[in-house]
Amino acid sequence: NAGVTQTPKFQVLKTGQSMTLQCAQDMNHEYMSWYRQDPGMGLRLIHYSVGAGITDQGEVPNGYNVSRSTTEDFPLRLLSAAPSQTSVYFCASSYSLVPAVAFFGQGTRLTVV
Amino acid sequence: GQQLNQSPQSMFIQEGEDVSMNCTSSSIFNTWLWYKQDPGEGPVLLIALYKAGELTSNGRLTAQFGITRKDSFLNISASIPSDVGIYFCAGPYSGGGADGLTFGKGTHLIIQP
Repeated sequence: NAGVTQTPKFQVLKTGQSMTLQCAQDMNHEYMSWYRQDPGMGLRLIHYSVGAGITDQGEVPNGYNVSRSTTEDFPLRLLSAAPSQTSVYFCASSYSLVPAVAFFGQGTRLTVV
Repeated sequence: GQQLNQSPQSMFIQEGEDVSMNCTSSSIFNTWLWYKQDPGEGPVLLIALYKAGELTSNGRLTAQFGITRKDSFLNISASIPSDVGIYFCAGPYSGGGADGLTFGKGTHLIIQP
């Protein structure tokens, strides 16, 4: 049982490039979400999904797209990378709305130059 | 929007000491979560609280859900070196959807030998 798996672990992009951060979970969780973590900050919610085909915006959604075609996968797309998107990105999945307990992946460290 | 204020921001303690940290919210929460993050890893859930006044333990860790539902406390007894890390409080994000969490900025625990 791998839990929540994120790839890649590290990535360097040039400004303006696009890329997709992958997230997969094998716990059959309905709820998945993406967060970013900046130095000295807690995690901030980017986008989330309550099931296949359903996504919604979180606290800091600008510059990111998501889709949820299967229960297992929830990729995060950066459309045109900017230095302000340099951060560590975490994907999480939850088995229930209440309690809102999330299980996190190990993160993707992204640097935009 | 919601704000979670954690204090202290950092703690320098001696091994064997007890640790106390707290989290306050600008709004009422129905769930309080405490996570720990080790360097290079995603957050790991320590304790989940679901009812005002609830006191829950997990080994040497004890957390309480404040009566006002706007605060929570985490205590660690007899600290050991592996307790080093960043501790985050979190609660359900209320930006319009039902999934996702909002996090405090964390308490960085450093144990001096």
